[in-house]
Amino acid sequence: GESVGLHLPTLSVQEGDNSIINCAYSNSASDYFIWYKQESGKGPQFIIDIRSNMDKRQGQRVTVLLNKTVKHLSLQIAATQPGDSAVYFCAENPNSGYSTLTFGKGTMLLVSP
Amino acid sequence: SQTIHQWPATLVQPVGSPLSLECTVEGTSNPNLYWYRQAAGRGLQLLFYSVGIGQISSEVPQNLSASRPQDRQFILSSKKLLLSDSGFYLCAWSVAGFPGETQYFGPGTRLLVL
Repeated sequence: GESVGLHLPTLSVQEGDNSIINCAYSNSASDYFIWYKQESGKGPQFIIDIRSNMDKRQGQRVTVLLNKTVKHLSLQIAATQPGDSAVYFCAENPNSGYSTLTFGKGTMLLVSP
Repeated sequence: SQTIHQWPATLVQPVGSPLSLECTVEGTSNPNLYWYRQAAGRGLQLLFYSVGIGQISSEVPQNLSASRPQDRQFILSSKKLLLSDSGFYLCAWSVAGFPGETQYFGPGTRLLVL
């Protein structure tokens, strides 16, 4: 079936670098996308979302980019900090009746001081 | 503001014993409620979701069941636990309506079945 997937299971960066986490989705009807951050032993935390009528959305140190042509979603984290170390999930709303969110498997971000 | 609670935080149970995990939400009415399981280093597996009291949708046939006795209470149960039931159980809520909107997660319950 259609699913959300991630290109890289682990991303290692140095503190202060910018991080980019990628996500590919296969359902062209999906109209809403979310990024979550999950720290070890905790529940996922909402970071930022974007609707399909937008290409870019910015938050505090984070930017989400949506490329509907190639069905690609990315999360950019500026000036990455050790506290950003976590697993990052993307999720999509398949926009099909009462369908729930579909989650990707996650990317581990490791930030070295 | 809305908050979501789960308990217990950690649970160690023998194989064959019953299970009851509870989730409650505060600060919102008629939320959609969800139960997920997450195996170590893996993604989220949706187990059940509910759009209202007494309305439960099961996503994966298994040894577990869910109930929603009150508007903001969601319970995950099992009559006899299996080793494969070990994992991290997460409850989540979203605003009333179609269940494809943002979900907000609780702190989770770590279950170890021995």
